[in-house]
Amino acid sequence: DAKTTQPTSMDCAEGRAANLPCNHSTISGNEYVYWYRQIHSQGPQYIIHGLKNNETNEMASLIITEDRKSSTLILPHATLRDTAVYYCIVRVASNSGYSTLTFGKGTMLLVSP
Amino acid sequence: DTGVSQDPRHKITKRGQNVTFRCDPISEHNRLYWYRQTLGQGPEFLTYFQNEAQLEKSRLLSDRFSAERPKGSFSTLEIQRTEQGDSAMYLCASSLRAGGPGEQFFGPGTRLTVL
Repeated sequence: DAKTTQPTSMDCAEGRAANLPCNHSTISGNEYVYWYRQIHSQGPQYIIHGLKNNETNEMASLIITEDRKSSTLILPHATLRDTAVYYCIVRVASNSGYSTLTFGKGTMLLVSP
Repeated sequence: DTGVSQDPRHKITKRGQNVTFRCDPISEHNRLYWYRQTLGQGPEFLTYFQNEAQLEKSRLLSDRFSAERPKGSFSTLEIQRTEQGDSAMYLCASSLRAGGPGEQFFGPGTRLTVL
């Protein structure tokens, strides 16, 4: 699976949008971009994933560049409860098999009042 | 609550003792994963089951570690002759889809401290 690069930490004011970048310049055509987050002392939580189109769900939006070499996770209105480590993962997914999740160190997002 | 559950949540043991952890996946999820997470690091893959078959093991899974998933339901992870380096959070996850980009649902983890 392709390697990802994320900033170690980011700050965001409560109520503002949090934009978390991820570089994955060696991503392959069959690799998806996944985002998980981990709140302190809890297991990771799935947020969103995408292949090449932008995606939105009730938690966040995922913007993938046209060349797929980078992406941005957007939390539109960050709350204190969004303080967590955010992991960007690229992962092969095919009907013939599976691929485990390879976590890096992620980005520690601190949302402040 | 129909999420992934793990038991115990915390375990303190002395070096050299054996420990066993249990994971109950979301019902009907045919895939089950074990990960290990040390302080300041992201989770690291240990092993994977599809139904009762253990299909992949990481090189992190030394011969002191063994995992089972009898009948394709709950899973156990046993560590024999624990060492201080085994201290970590052990996470279990499950997923449903046999192929494609199915997301994994994680349990709360079992925190192991080896004294």
